[in-house]
Amino acid sequence: KQEVTQIPAALSVPEGENLVLNCSFTDSAIYNLQWFRQDPGKGLTSLLLIQSSQREQTSGRLNASLDKSSGRSTLYIAASQPGDSATYLCAVGGYYGGSQGNLIFGKGTKLSVKP
Amino acid sequence: DADVTQTPRNRITKTGKRIMLECSQTKGHDRMYWYRQDPGLGLRLIYYSFDVKDINKGEISDGYSVSRQAQAKFSLSLESAIPNQTALYFCATSETSGTPYNTGELFFGEGSRLTVL
Repeated sequence: KQEVTQIPAALSVPEGENLVLNCSFTDSAIYNLQWFRQDPGKGLTSLLLIQSSQREQTSGRLNASLDKSSGRSTLYIAASQPGDSATYLCAVGGYYGGSQGNLIFGKGTKLSVKP
Repeated sequence: DADVTQTPRNRITKTGKRIMLECSQTKGHDRMYWYRQDPGLGLRLIYYSFDVKDINKGEISDGYSVSRQAQAKFSLSLESAIPNQTALYFCATSETSGTPYNTGELFFGEGSRLTVL
């Protein structure tokens, strides 16, 4: 059974710091991994999608890496800003729970960036 | 306007009532999904549809049903709501990819908060 873990559950940093959010998964048979951002009371916003054949993806100040063999992904945020404060979720895609195209989500890391 | 729109955004109902949550999208995607989010449990897949004629159960489909009225519309129904169906419900879409196991990038709606008393 695929399980996705995100550590830490919460993180508070001063503005301007570079930071890394971690995601680990137990089954390396994944088709893709996606990072999302969720603001309070809002939906999920897709940040980066990494296909299983890729090692990393970049978008602006965000960089996500994927190491399938070790079951890990990291989301690197450069020069953090108060507007980055949100909960960050990672999800892995594959054939899970008898469902094609199912995403298994971690519980998220709640990030607070203090001015 | 949002690409993925959910209605209602908030709903309070009583045990035993029938509830429908609606989702419409303007992204032109064939694939649509319904997830629920519970504190401490994360998001879990309820139903998904790869096209208008293809509907499939997810991990937690018991107590729910869906209807894919058109490519752009996917509704979730609770025939007889119960308190443990209180949750935040999300609709999502993605493009068709080369394999059914690869979801591609998912795009989510703003969510529908349902409270069952």
